[in-house]
Amino acid sequence: LAKTTQPISMDSYEGQEVNITCSHNNIATNDYITWYQQFPSQGPRFIIQGYKTKVTNEVASLFIPADRKSSTLSLPRVSLSDTAVYYCLVGEHAGNMLTFGGGTRLMVKP
Amino acid sequence: DTAVSQTPKYLVTQMGNDKSIKCEQNLGHDTMYWYKQDSKKFLKIMFSYNNKELIINETVPNRFSPKSPDKAHLNLHINSLELGDSAVYFCASSQPGTGTYEQYFGPGTRLTVT
Repeated sequence: LAKTTQPISMDSYEGQEVNITCSHNNIATNDYITWYQQFPSQGPRFIIQGYKTKVTNEVASLFIPADRKSSTLSLPRVSLSDTAVYYCLVGEHAGNMLTFGGGTRLMVKP
Repeated sequence: DTAVSQTPKYLVTQMGNDKSIKCEQNLGHDTMYWYKQDSKKFLKIMFSYNNKELIINETVPNRFSPKSPDKAHLNLHINSLELGDSAVYFCASSQPGTGTYEQYFGPGTRLTVT
């Protein structure tokens, strides 16, 4: 599985847009990019997945440049409840042995 | 209804004991997993299992073994517990072939070995 690199932590304020970038320089052709969110004392929760360009759902947007060597998770107008750890993962659909990196600890302040 | 459930939520035991953690999913998924999250919050895959195949992370000691009585359950047995086994253990499930990498995680079991 491709290795990913994310910032260890980020701070933001309520109402701001937060962008978390993940580097995955050795991403393979068949790999998809997936983001999970984890609150304290809970299991990770799927946020969004994409292969190229842009994907948007009710929670977030995922921007993937043409070379796919990085991706950016965008959280619009964050609230205090968005304080969590965000994990970027890269792998094939068929692959099921997920490898989580250290994640990015997002702290949203009032 | 809870999609993926685990019992117990907390487990405190002594070194050398044998313990089990139960996991059940009501999503009809074919594949289930066990993960370990240590004190540094790194989440590591331990096992991936479906009706046909068990995939073991080679770094997992053989004191850990998954047991699946049926497709909806994947229990984790741990023999001769050690201090280093203290962690939060997460069960998860997914349905291969759906076109997504989405796994559904349980609430976790915090294991403390004294």
